[in-house]
Amino acid sequence: DAEITQSPRHKITETGRQVTLACHQTWNHNNMFWYRQDLGHGLRLIHYSYGVHDTNKGEVSDGYSVSRSNTEDLPLTLESAASSQTSVYFCASSEITVTEQFFGPGTRLTVL
Amino acid sequence: KNEVEQSPQNLTAQEGEFITINCSYSVGISALHWLQQHPGGGIVSLFMLSSGKKKHGRLIATINIQEKHSSLHITASHPRDSAVYICAALHYGGSQGNLIFGKGTKLSVKP
Repeated sequence: DAEITQSPRHKITETGRQVTLACHQTWNHNNMFWYRQDLGHGLRLIHYSYGVHDTNKGEVSDGYSVSRSNTEDLPLTLESAASSQTSVYFCASSEITVTEQFFGPGTRLTVL
Repeated sequence: KNEVEQSPQNLTAQEGEFITINCSYSVGISALHWLQQHPGGGIVSLFMLSSGKKKHGRLIATINIQEKHSSLHITASHPRDSAVYICAALHYGGSQGNLIFGKGTKLSVKP
């Protein structure tokens, strides 16, 4: 069955370190998204991609970067982790813009 | 003011009750997405609709485009329905991606 996976599921890191969160989907979807979820804010868009080599900034992109070298993967990199980036991160994918999004299981990141 | 508002924020019901969760939005949309987030954190897509009504089991979603309002109904509620329900407006076009999320409604169904 097609699926979307994230790794690691839990990560503890220190301020200033570079961290990469992986997202892999086997739906063969064109669109992929990264969100963060914090109490009181709901889900907020970090970056998104509409296809290979396409990346776009979302609402809260500062301090994050993504690259899309193939259809299946959209890794999210925190260049220099900050305590404000402690959050739960969700990856999602959709076939095209107007279809429903399917979410990964989430990664809980703690920056000390 | 948030572009997508949900009500109520929290809802407690007795098993068997009919549940209604409301979602209002202020942006132009091409569709509305209802999601369920389980206590363990996973997010599941329930519906995506752009007009009328959709039904899946005990769940019914309706949307009124003119009034910019959608509702999610749960008939014969059960404790396993306890979760956070999130509506998200699919804002077609623009430079900020697609979905604008409400903050969620936390539903607790007591046996």
